[in-house]
Amino acid sequence: EPEVTQTPSHQVTQMGQEVILRCVPISNHLYFYWYRQILGQKVEFLVSFYNNEISEKSEIFDDQFSVERPDGSNFTLKIRSTKLEDSAMYFCASSDQLAGVKFFGPGTRLTVL
Amino acid sequence: RKEVEQDPGPFNVPEGATVAFNCTYSNSASQSFFWYRQDCRKEPKLLMSVYSSGNEDGRFTAQLNRASQYISLLIRDSKLSDSATYLCVVNIGGGSYIPTFGRGTSLIVHP
Repeated sequence: EPEVTQTPSHQVTQMGQEVILRCVPISNHLYFYWYRQILGQKVEFLVSFYNNEISEKSEIFDDQFSVERPDGSNFTLKIRSTKLEDSAMYFCASSDQLAGVKFFGPGTRLTVL
Repeated sequence: RKEVEQDPGPFNVPEGATVAFNCTYSNSASQSFFWYRQDCRKEPKLLMSVYSSGNEDGRFTAQLNRASQYISLLIRDSKLSDSATYLCVVNIGGGSYIPTFGRGTSLIVHP
């Protein structure tokens, strides 16, 4: 069964450092997403990406965040200068339709010290 | 008013019981609806989409009530393995598709 993969599974970083979270979406999917979930809280939408550009983004997705699809398979989320409150589980998801089913990756747990 | 609201529970039920969860949404232009389940510290996994006419998948039945702006999930003959958090997801409409999650309803099925 096709699946979304994410690396690393756990990333620890110092406040102010840059991090890049990596995702490999399902190969024939066209829509890609990043979500985050702070421990004990709800899943929050960050950004959606289609046709090599951002299609929607939330208020959380400020100038410190960026996404890229550098090649035909990877989809990355970069946080330029991490803050303590960026500590969360970050989920990548992909879909073959705009409003369709989304398959989530297993997540990257980001810990900012 | 929160965009997507769910009773956090927990709902504590015996095996074999029938349990139902509701989820209300605030934006009447919302277009699509889903139920996901999330196990502790794992990713959300799609349980089922919710269609206007209601839909069933085995022991699970989902319904949409547009007039009252809520969706429901009914689980019949609960199994221990159904213990999880059930997330309601609504694509907020108005020309954009921004999937909005509820906080989830915790279900505990005990022997």
